[in-house]
Amino acid sequence: DTGVSQDPRHKITKRGQNVTFRCDPISEHNRLYWYRQTLGQGPEFLTYFQNEAQLEKSRLLSDRFSAERPKGSFSTLEIQRTEQGDSAMYLCASSPGGEGRVAYFGPGTRLTVL
Amino acid sequence: GQNIDQPTEMTATEGAIVQINCTYQTSGFNGLFWYQQHAGEAPTFLSYNVLDGLEEKGRFSSFLSRSKGYSYLLLKELQMKDSASYLCVYRMDSSYKLIFGSGTRLLVRP
Repeated sequence: DTGVSQDPRHKITKRGQNVTFRCDPISEHNRLYWYRQTLGQGPEFLTYFQNEAQLEKSRLLSDRFSAERPKGSFSTLEIQRTEQGDSAMYLCASSPGGEGRVAYFGPGTRLTVL
Repeated sequence: GQNIDQPTEMTATEGAIVQINCTYQTSGFNGLFWYQQHAGEAPTFLSYNVLDGLEEKGRFSSFLSRSKGYSYLLLKELQMKDSASYLCVYRMDSSYKLIFGSGTRLLVRP
């Protein structure tokens, strides 16, 4: 098992463009989380899946953001009509089910909106 | 971070011991985690407490008092590679989502 992977690692885009990020969790981890982190801050929760069900979305996740996990394995996060304020590191994490299970993070996708 | 307080920065000397404190406020609690994050990298898991008391793991120990909403991370025999941000994180019992503090940036000096 190679851990959580994310693609791409870096993305530079122009304001107004759409971007999509992919996260592949650790095999058999049924929980998957998306977080956003800006410089000097801790990660902020965006959304969370248990298997294919999206159980919670942060108010930070405006209608320009959408996330899917169609088969309960990999997940995608799409940002439409990007804004400069969307520039951040987007982190994905996964954990197995059950109490006290540790969430393991992927390397992140760094988004820069020009 | 949401209802989590931890110092912004700390400095310590190589070989010394440092304690990073964290206080939190939440109506639902299901465990306290500490993560380490080097600049430009993803957070990595260090420790987990769900019951009161001390958990020891090599050079790292973490303490939890649920009644006081308080935790600390203790790092012993500091090494230069311990220079990083240390994130105090609680898990909400209703949703299992993790709530992160803003992190404590630790600088270890020779």
